[in-house]
Amino acid sequence: GDSVTQMEGPVTLSEEAFLTINCTYTATGYPSLFWYVQYPGEGLQLLLKATKADDKGSNKGFEATYRKETTSFHLEKGSVQVSDSAVYFCALSDPTGRRALTFGSGTRLQVQP
Amino acid sequence: DTAVSQTPKYLVTQMGNDKSIKCEQNLGHDTMYWYKQDSKKFLKIMFSYNNKELIINETVPNRFSPKSPDKAHLNLHINSLELGDSAVYFCASSYRGLDRGPVRPYTFGSGTRLTVV
Repeated sequence: GDSVTQMEGPVTLSEEAFLTINCTYTATGYPSLFWYVQYPGEGLQLLLKATKADDKGSNKGFEATYRKETTSFHLEKGSVQVSDSAVYFCALSDPTGRRALTFGSGTRLQVQP
Repeated sequence: DTAVSQTPKYLVTQMGNDKSIKCEQNLGHDTMYWYKQDSKKFLKIMFSYNNKELIINETVPNRFSPKSPDKAHLNLHINSLELGDSAVYFCASSYRGLDRGPVRPYTFGSGTRLTVV
């Protein structure tokens, strides 16, 4: 079945450091890919998405490129802030729409001032 | 004007009790979901309804019973609660329509933290 693998956290960075959170997936067909963010005590919020190979999703300084050849969708940000501290989830959708979103295990990011 | 609202936000109850969690969305979406998030933050789909029809029913104990009175509401009833049911339960919604193409993004509620003692 479909699956998403994320790097284990926590990832601890200093403010203004460069961020990469790795995400790879296994799926049949051509899924859409998503990054969600969960701030403490809150639900998940969509951060960005990409629906086909080579698409780049971007939002709030975060970017991720859909790489079909490496089945990856790594999240990057050039300069993190303390307010970016949260848990980040990579997810994929079944192209047929018959199954719910499949999530990775989440990666906690801690940004220190 | 909360998009997806869940009640209650916190629920503490004793083993063996029966409890319900309610979810409502005002986004005009036609599909709703229940996810369980364990202590390690892992999210697992439990159920999904599309226009009041159950479309996803993962391997979940039959003590869990979803009910969708209309496409804006999805409730979760849990019988004979066990310690292992302690988790955060998230409701989410999305729009599928008649288009069987790529899934559109979900909107999540803020979660219900269930603690069974």
